[in-house]
Amino acid sequence: QVQLVQSGAEVKKPGASVKVSCKASGYTFIRHAVHWVRQAPGQSLEWMGWINAGNGDTKYAQKFQDRVTITRDTSASTVYMDLRSLRSEDTAVYYCARDNMAFDSWGQGTLVTVSS
Amino acid sequence: DIQLTQSPSLLSASVGDRVTITCRASQGINTYLAWYQQQPGKAPKLLIFPASTLQSGVPSRFSGSGSGTEFTLTIGSLLPEDFATYFCQQVKTYPLTFGGGTRVEIK
Repeated sequence: QVQLVQSGAEVKKPGASVKVSCKASGYTFIRHAVHWVRQAPGQSLEWMGWINAGNGDTKYAQKFQDRVTITRDTSASTVYMDLRSLRSEDTAVYYCARDNMAFDSWGQGTLVTVSS
Repeated sequence: DIQLTQSPSLLSASVGDRVTITCRASQGINTYLAWYQQQPGKAPKLLIFPASTLQSGVPSRFSGSGSGTEFTLTIGSLLPEDFATYFCQQVKTYPLTFGGGTRVEIK
């Protein structure tokens, strides 16, 4: 079965960077794009960007354009999301999700806490 | 960006009730609309995409309708496991956007 397994919770100081991983299994990795979505406490969902797992092309939300990088390692069937210059407002659960027109499979979420 | 407005934001209902959630888009998105269910502390789960197509394994008490700018999610008869938060999402245009969510709580 399709599964996306994310790395564990992180606590970071303002100004630091965080890198969250998302390991895919149960399908042909390069055939589906992977998106990143975040959810601040008590808030709705916010799309951050996606990567074409086949050719590595990326597209980011303008809000995150200068702070986020999404990469993938096809040999490890893993996608990474790197967010820089963290601030307190970046405290959220970060999800990866498989693209199948809509998001048909999601990782379990990674809590990133930004606090001094 | 396409704004999605969900209503109501909070819905109080009882087991067995029929409930309807509305999602309005700021511009036409054909049927490029998805509905998700999220239980507390869990990742969202895809219920319906496009607008009226139930995903495999989703109970038939869930249904979706609409096209263009107005969409609805209906739960025919609420079961205890249906008390959750529901989000709509448009996948027609980047940036992809979500509605603000509708929490369905027990009355």
